[in-house]
Amino acid sequence: GAVVSQHPSWVICKSGTSVKIECRSLDFQATTMFWYRQFPKQSLMLMATSNEGSKATYEQGVEKDKFLINHASLTLSTLTVTSAHPEDSSFYICSARGGQGAVFYGYTFGSGTRLTVV
Amino acid sequence: AQKVTQAQTEISVVEKEDVTLDCVYETRDTTYYLFWYKQPPSGELVFLIRRNSFDEQNEISGRYSWNFQKSTSSFNFTITASQVVDSAVYFCALSEFGNEKLTFGTGTRLTIIP
Repeated sequence: GAVVSQHPSWVICKSGTSVKIECRSLDFQATTMFWYRQFPKQSLMLMATSNEGSKATYEQGVEKDKFLINHASLTLSTLTVTSAHPEDSSFYICSARGGQGAVFYGYTFGSGTRLTVV
Repeated sequence: AQKVTQAQTEISVVEKEDVTLDCVYETRDTTYYLFWYKQPPSGELVFLIRRNSFDEQNEISGRYSWNFQKSTSSFNFTITASQVVDSAVYFCALSEFGNEKLTFGTGTRLTIIP
């Protein structure tokens, strides 16, 4: 089955620094990647959608200069939180859609990254 | 615009009781997909089911069952003989054909009391 590996699982960083989160599709080609953010006891909110080789499409209200998304290959997408501040502390989850051969995989989620900015 | 409503914020039941989680959706499309995910305390999303809009048959998988009713735009999830391991947040989600976005409901936190 499809597997999406997300790293790191958790990260603590100082305010003002940048943090990179990786999302890899291990056994299929992810033509589309989605990045979600989840605050405690809340739902998943879509931040952006990225297709391999093109710029990400951000949802309204999401700062594209703060949350840099790169989807340079069919198996890797990264989310960089630039100049992180405590209000950026959250749970970030990636999701991938794509296929391998004749098999198409729907939404496969990574295990999430818990970011704490101190 | 697509929207998913899970009116039950939190539910607590005693172990072995049956419990139903409600999901009501809104969409203008005639072709769409409905999902249920489980999110245990560890945070990862566990896929439970996907149903397309043309398949209204109810589905049963072990202790889990789903009731899809287009007439009421509902896709409810029932756990029979609940167990402590069922404690988690459950999300209902919707995607429309041709729109890759997956819209989540606000989730229902289910607590099974031993």
